[in-house]
Amino acid sequence: QKEVEQNSGPLSVPEGAIASLNCTYSDRGSQSFFWYRQYSGKSPELIMSIYSNGDKEDGRFTAQLNKASQYVSLLIRDSQPSDSATYLCAVGFYGNNRLAFGKGNQVVVIP
Amino acid sequence: DAGVIQSPRHEVTEMGQEVTLRCKPISGHDYLFWYRQTMMRGLELLIYFNNNVPIDDSGMPEDRFSAKMPNASFSTLKIQPSEPRDSAVYFCASSHTPGLAGENTGELFFGEGSRLTVL
Repeated sequence: QKEVEQNSGPLSVPEGAIASLNCTYSDRGSQSFFWYRQYSGKSPELIMSIYSNGDKEDGRFTAQLNKASQYVSLLIRDSQPSDSATYLCAVGFYGNNRLAFGKGNQVVVIP
Repeated sequence: DAGVIQSPRHEVTEMGQEVTLRCKPISGHDYLFWYRQTMMRGLELLIYFNNNVPIDDSGMPEDRFSAKMPNASFSTLKIQPSEPRDSAVYFCASSHTPGLAGENTGELFFGEGSRLTVL
């Protein structure tokens, strides 16, 4: 079993709609969770981090963490064409910057 | 402040040749990571260093791969001999010790990557 799973295929959403991405992880001791955005041909960049159960909002992005169920999600509200990218879920431990990444979910926002 | 700098950006080589990828981390960062990204396997951690010391190289696929960090501002990833299955984008990333001054834990700053094609 891979450490971080992102199973859903490409996601197409109309402009202005909500995009929802999910991620599950296998190690129950994981303590830090991140969402990275990667534009085609570019490097990943951090957009959200979350460490405690519940929701964390930053602008149009909301990260949700449920440690009991071992999943983390990302909501993108009012999706814009500039949000079209691949979103990578990453999981790690405090005090150790080693991160395990999921394979990513491609999001396409249709104008 | 300059970001993580990688070279070369693109490398095309023939099977059996030696390939050397280079990375300059962000000044002051004490962690350095080498990742490989392919469509099939996603982003895989190959090796990481803390204060120039290799901490975990369990992701290095085989003995053909080696990495060094002779000082805090330079690291290399070498493949010898290269094979077509090594074709991928290789990313270098750096970060500082988590928790310092309240910064985000685990934020990795990636270089632009080195796209390797082995014919």
